[in-house]
Amino acid sequence: TQLLEQSPQFLSIQEGENLTVYCNSSSVFSSLQWYRQEPGEGPVLLVTVVTGGEVKKLKRLTFQFGDARKDSSLHITAAQPGDTGLYLCAGALTDSWGKFQFGAGTQVVVTP
Amino acid sequence: SAVISQKPSRDICQRGTSLTIQCQVDSQVTMMFWYRQQPGQSLTLIATANQGSEATYESGFVIDKFPISRPNLTFSTLTVSNMSPEDSSIYLCSAATGGSSGYTFGSGTRLTVV
Repeated sequence: TQLLEQSPQFLSIQEGENLTVYCNSSSVFSSLQWYRQEPGEGPVLLVTVVTGGEVKKLKRLTFQFGDARKDSSLHITAAQPGDTGLYLCAGALTDSWGKFQFGAGTQVVVTP
Repeated sequence: SAVISQKPSRDICQRGTSLTIQCQVDSQVTMMFWYRQQPGQSLTLIATANQGSEATYESGFVIDKFPISRPNLTFSTLTVSNMSPEDSSIYLCSAATGGSSGYTFGSGTRLTVV
């Protein structure tokens, strides 16, 4: 059983469309990260959120941490082919500094 | 943030043999981690590599199969022992860069066992 549930598992959209990926859990996290991974590479950290209700923006990407610190979302505006990749959320439980639990990932494909 | 060099990037190995994967970090880090990732899937933590003590293994992973070394604060190795085709996977090392800053990952080792 995944501690972090990501949805959807797969998303295929046209360039210019918007998309949202969700990461949900019944556990409370001290922090949550989003990563993007491209084929043949390791995951690359996009953002870390630590405060309940926090919203962070990274160009066309908007990340939100739920008020209760149990869930998060990643929204991409006007997606581009370069946004294609496996998006992973990872949460740190409050008593496990340095050890993160990963969601199953969402494969995003943006076609021109 | 830290940069991790991982090698080899890929290898094809005969069953029954062993492969050692190396990770070098460009700065001192307290904690390093080893993950396994099936293609297109998420990451499963194998163990936490601690400097100066034995690695801490997650459920389903044992030291005899995945011995780990951590001789100093910038280097770690993972050995996949007595390999079988079921060990074919991507192996990733990572370092905790402090507090809530998340991980830095190596680029991974794609292992195929034939």
